[in-house]
Amino acid sequence: EAQVTQNPRYLITVTGKKLTVTCSQNMNHEYMSWYRQDPGLGLRQIYYSMNVEVTDKGDVPEGYKVSRKEKRNFPLILESPSPNQTSLYFCASSWGTEAFFGQGTRLTVV
Amino acid sequence: ILNVEQSPQSLHVQEGDSTNFTCSFPSSNFYALHWYRWETAKSPEALFVMTLNGDEKKKGRISATLNTKEGYSYLYIKGSQPEDSATYLCAFRGAQKLVFGQGTRLTINP
Repeated sequence: EAQVTQNPRYLITVTGKKLTVTCSQNMNHEYMSWYRQDPGLGLRQIYYSMNVEVTDKGDVPEGYKVSRKEKRNFPLILESPSPNQTSLYFCASSWGTEAFFGQGTRLTVV
Repeated sequence: ILNVEQSPQSLHVQEGDSTNFTCSFPSSNFYALHWYRWETAKSPEALFVMTLNGDEKKKGRISATLNTKEGYSYLYIKGSQPEDSATYLCAFRGAQKLVFGQGTRLTINP
């Protein structure tokens, strides 16, 4: 079954404590991306990756890092989370015209 | 930054009525236009992917049209039902990025 898996689904953390949200896809897609969703702002792209070792900034990259060491995984790293990074995060992977989303990660930074 | 605009931002429709809303996107470097249906706390669900000017797609009571030359797509819902209540997202796929609009939040009143 085609799948994009994010973990964790829910996370509450404290300001400054490094965290990683994992994203894994089983479709051998080259393109993967991260989005955050905030009320009234739709989905905004944080980072995207066209292939292994190729990553680029989206519209709101500040405070985030990513890595793409292998095709299936695209983790999102928050080195020093702050309360303004409280949001709902989605990972997506795509190839050609198909795009699939993970289940979402609701992150709260206190 | 690529601009993808959806209108209206929110819409209240009486059950049984038909409705439509708009997605505007850049007319250059077009690769595909996606429509998603998105319920709160769930992953966006793919409705349509359209790639050719003049494309029309249909899925049950929902249909979509595409005009790549002028940069717009319409989503139509015929005979709205309460289960159609959701946010409808469009996404423009250019050469490298998938850029989302802010969504149209549709509420069907019984």
